[in-house]
Amino acid sequence: QVHLLESGGGVVQPGRSLRLSCAASGFTFSDYPMHWVRQPPGKGLEWVAVTSHDGKNKYFADSVKGRFIISRDNSRNTLYLRMDSPRPEDTAIYYCAKNAGYNYGPLDSWGQGTLVSVSS
Amino acid sequence: EIVLTQSPGTLSLSPGERATLSCRASQRSSGSYLAWYQQKPGQAPRLLIYDASNRAAGIPDRFSGSGSGTDFTLTISRLEPEDFAIYYCQHYGSSLWTFGQGTKVEIK
Repeated sequence: QVHLLESGGGVVQPGRSLRLSCAASGFTFSDYPMHWVRQPPGKGLEWVAVTSHDGKNKYFADSVKGRFIISRDNSRNTLYLRMDSPRPEDTAIYYCAKNAGYNYGPLDSWGQGTLVSVSS
Repeated sequence: EIVLTQSPGTLSLSPGERATLSCRASQRSSGSYLAWYQQKPGQAPRLLIYDASNRAAGIPDRFSGSGSGTDFTLTISRLEPEDFAIYYCQHYGSSLWTFGQGTKVEIK
């Protein structure tokens, strides 16, 4: 059974860095692309970033390009999101999600999310 | 970038009724790379439909997806109490994933 557990959220000041983690279990982590998706309080879903199964290819939403970095450690079955220069509009629940197949596609398993609040 | 527009914003129905949700894309993609998700309060989204019309594992057959090109539909044939939630469509492919703004299905 797939299990994804995010951690690292909290209150961060604008301009400071924060790193989120997502511990994965129940599947062969190194076989699948992995995503981050966020949801501001009371609002809809926004896709943030994806990394290929081996970490060599990464894509980002325009809203975070150049500020956020996605990475993974397949030896630790862990996905990361480093948030550099966060802004108040980055305040959201951040979910990690597993790609449904080996090729880029829909997201078939999600963690419960970690809340990030960007505030001075 | 493909923009997805969902309608209506809110759908007020009674248990047992049929729900029809729409998702319109701003442009065609090369394939039917369209998914539907359900989200209940305080929970993560759950994948319902992928590739426009394929049900994900464990999804009841009262959920069905259809459409192609730029117009897609999620149909819930008979609403159960647990189906009242927010539904999002999502386009995937071309190294960019986008969500619609959501349709809330509420109890009338």
